Amino acid sequence: DAGVIQSPRHEVTEMGQEVTLRCKPISGHNSLFWYRQTMMRGLELLIYFNNNVPIDDSGMPEDRFSAKMPNASFSTLKIQPSEPRDSAVYFCASSLARAAEAFFGQGTRLTVV
Amino acid sequence: AQRVTQPEKLLSVFKGAPVELKCNYSYSGSPELFWYVQYSRQRLQLLLRHISRESIKGFTADLNKGETSFHLKKPFAQEEDSAMYYCALIITGGGNKLTFGTGTQLKVEL
Repeated sequence: DAGVIQSPRHEVTEMGQEVTLRCKPISGHNSLFWYRQTMMRGLELLIYFNNNVPIDDSGMPEDRFSAKMPNASFSTLKIQPSEPRDSAVYFCASSLARAAEAFFGQGTRLTVV
Repeated sequence: AQRVTQPEKLLSVFKGAPVELKCNYSYSGSPELFWYVQYSRQRLQLLLRHISRESIKGFTADLNKGETSFHLKKPFAQEEDSAMYYCALIITGGGNKLTFGTGTQLKVEL
């Protein structure tokens, strides 16, 4: 398995544009997490899914952020409209069961200008 | 809500010196604690978990429920230990919500 795959690796967009980040979890894993990493706040949990169902989205900053998991092998995180303060590295991670090791993707570095 | 605190953003030590990365948590129940590490240009990965009570790459961490701490220690720092370290927890009965601290950048100098 190639591990958790995220795309794109880098994204530069203008303020106001829609941004879609993609994640393919490890096959067979039933939990998927989206995190945002910044220097100031470290790794913030945005949302997580169990068996494709969103369980806790309390970390989603505001209505501009949305996430979906239409099936067990794909998830998206969308920002619409994007703002410069959204600039960060966004990580996707998946795990097999509760308290099991979480495997991270390589992240998407988002820059909003 | 549960919270993980790592008070130091940056910790700089000399090679061969002892290392202690601090982690405190706030949760009244029994959490499960982890340390994750991110080496330069690599993915974030699990270093160790408290239930395993193991030593990985010379690092150990003991859960102190009285002090609600899970500090990461190594007696002699190596240059290759330079990385970003994150403490994390999952609370019992909390599903699979993995919450991280803000991270500590460890720099081992020669």
